[in-house]
Amino acid sequence: AQSVAQPEDQVNVAEGNPLTVKCTYSVSGNPYLFWYVQYPNRGLQFLLKYITGDNLVKGSYGFEAEFNKSQTSFHLKKPSALVSDSALYFCAVRDWEGSYIPTFGRGTSLIVHP
Amino acid sequence: KAGVTQTPRYLIKTRGQQVTLSCSPISGHRSVSWYQQTPGQGLQFLFEYFSETQRNKGNFPGRFSGRQFSNSRSEMNVSTLELGDSALYLCASSETTNTGELFFGEGSRLTVL
Repeated sequence: AQSVAQPEDQVNVAEGNPLTVKCTYSVSGNPYLFWYVQYPNRGLQFLLKYITGDNLVKGSYGFEAEFNKSQTSFHLKKPSALVSDSALYFCAVRDWEGSYIPTFGRGTSLIVHP
Repeated sequence: KAGVTQTPRYLIKTRGQQVTLSCSPISGHRSVSWYQQTPGQGLQFLFEYFSETQRNKGNFPGRFSGRQFSNSRSEMNVSTLELGDSALYLCASSETTNTGELFFGEGSRLTVL
């Protein structure tokens, strides 16, 4: 079985400050991990993924995420937040040997204040 | 390449009616998945089709059905609509690998009155 937890429903950060959106996961085997972003009234857009290799993954729009196997976490980060980063962020996981269907977290609303 | 296209974008139905939503995947993508998104339940997996066959199914009642055509286009149908079916229905396509990310359409927002 696979599951994802996003412990924060909402994250508030000031523009220019670093941001972190948290994600922890549970899988039977090894994980494939993904982050997606959703702007209002739009579909989800892929940001980045971890498959194997370097624990620090760089993605679109200056976002990056760090895979930590011992803590089963995959937190999304950005060094300097922009107001335009305000959106809903979803973490998702697939087990290496599981089905093709990812399990999504409930989403975290990121609000960046000017 | 064109992205995933969903039609219609918005629709309003009344209880008891049925609705059909359409999804055209990215060219070359053979897997199409459908999700229901609501504020209370988040993103819930409905079903996935690959090469015209339902490969995976989520935990939804039989009123929710789908199909995929030979050109990979997919439709989903909801019969006997209930108020609780009001949601954003998202379609996603992907390449046929376990490492591939999903490419989502803009969604079809269904309101049931």
